[in-house]
Amino acid sequence: KNEVEQSPQNLTAQEGEFITINCSYSVGISALHWLQQHPGGGIVSLFMLSSGKKKHGRLIATINIQEKHSSLHITASHPRDSAVYICAVRFSSGAGSYQLTFGKGTKLSVIP
Amino acid sequence: DAGVIQSPRHEVTEMGQEVTLRCKPISGHNSLFWYRQTMMRGLELLIYFNNNVPIDDSGMPEDRFSAKMPNASFSTLKIQPSEPRDSAVYFCASSLTGGHTDTQYFGPGTRLTVL
Repeated sequence: KNEVEQSPQNLTAQEGEFITINCSYSVGISALHWLQQHPGGGIVSLFMLSSGKKKHGRLIATINIQEKHSSLHITASHPRDSAVYICAVRFSSGAGSYQLTFGKGTKLSVIP
Repeated sequence: DAGVIQSPRHEVTEMGQEVTLRCKPISGHNSLFWYRQTMMRGLELLIYFNNNVPIDDSGMPEDRFSAKMPNASFSTLKIQPSEPRDSAVYFCASSLTGGHTDTQYFGPGTRLTVL
């Protein structure tokens, strides 16, 4: 079964802290996406990864294909980073090849 | 570009009524996706179109749900008859080609409440 697991479910951090959110998946993938859902509900695509590492501002996303694991890091966290972060994967084969399968999300709260 | 446009933003209806949700993808994008988000199940793909043709509708929950894309700039998701368990936020997203490495751009969502 194609599954996506995120941890932690909820995360509270003090402003300035380094934050890591994890995503694990069960079988081979062709791509992994990190999404950010704002408190108002809007969804923004942050990264698409198929290998290695990507950086955008204070956000860094890494993926280890062999270990079937990805991490999203936020450096120098800020209250405006408070959101739900969702991992989504495109599995390599079968009926899932066109679909994004989503994790349940990690709710991040950054306290001033 | 205005981004992906969805209407209405909020819909409240009574059980048994027909509901139609609308989406205008980003101009030039060839792929369109309908998603549903609930507290219990998170985000789920309902249907995916490429070049206006439904490619994968395996996520459509049952026959009460139907989706169309009559042209490259418009899609509808219809629920008939609606039921309280259909209450959710429905997102439309579009991407350039639908390829595995494509970024999807999400609309603001339609919050549906079925009483």
